[in-house]
Amino acid sequence: DAKTTQPNSMESNEEEPVHLPCNHSTISGTDYIHWYRQLPSQGPEYVIHGLTSNVNNRMASLAIAEDRKSSTLILHRATLRDAAVYYCILGPGGSQGNLIFGKGTKLSVKP
Amino acid sequence: GAGVSQSPSNKVTEKGKDVELRCDPISGHTALYWYRQRLGQGLEFLIYFQGNSAPDKSGLPSDRFSAERTGESVSTLTIQRTQQEDSAVYLCASSLRTSSQPQHFGDGTRLSIL
Repeated sequence: DAKTTQPNSMESNEEEPVHLPCNHSTISGTDYIHWYRQLPSQGPEYVIHGLTSNVNNRMASLAIAEDRKSSTLILHRATLRDAAVYYCILGPGGSQGNLIFGKGTKLSVKP
Repeated sequence: GAGVSQSPSNKVTEKGKDVELRCDPISGHTALYWYRQRLGQGLEFLIYFQGNSAPDKSGLPSDRFSAERTGESVSTLTIQRTQQEDSAVYLCASSLRTSSQPQHFGDGTRLSIL
C-alpha cells in the first residue's frame, strides 16, 4: 500500500494561511489524494480530494505537485475551529475502498 | 440531511461479554466501512461492504469480530468474548461509491472493557 509522510504537528496563528505538507513518493497512477480532518471526540471529516489537478472547495485548496509525489493542503485563513488532526491519505483504485489512515498532522491554532 | 448515525455512543462492559455496535449509513450509500481507533492512534480498517458483493474482511483482528449488513442499510459489528485490548472508538463510514468518493463518518461508539 502506498504510504504518506506528514509532520507530526504544526502551529498556526488565527486568520493566517496554513500549508500542510504531505509526501507520497510511491503514489500510483490511479491513487487519489484525500484529506480528512478529525476534531476532538468526533469522527473524521472529509476536507478535499484530487487526482492530478489542483482543487478548491469552500473548506480548503489542494495543491498537487506535477510529479504527484507530494501535495499541500491550504487553509486560507485558519480559525480556532480548524484545530484538528489532518490526515493525508491515498485512495486505491479498483474495488477496494478502505482508507489507510496514518497518524496525521496535529494542527494547533493560536488566537 | 441526516449523516451517519452510530449507537450506542458509549458502551462499558465487562471482559468476556459480547457487544453489538450499530451503524445507520446515509441513505443511498452503497459502501459501508468499519474502522477502529485506539486512544491517540490513527484509524485501523476493519471491514468493508459494497452493495451485494462479498465483504472485505481483511482488517478484522480476530475471529471474535464479525459484521453484518442487510442490503444497503444498517450494519452491526459484533465483538464476542471482549478483551481489554478491544477498548477503542469504533467508527463507521459510508460513501456513494468506492475509491474516489468521500467517506462520511459517524462520531463512533466508545467501547470500554473493564
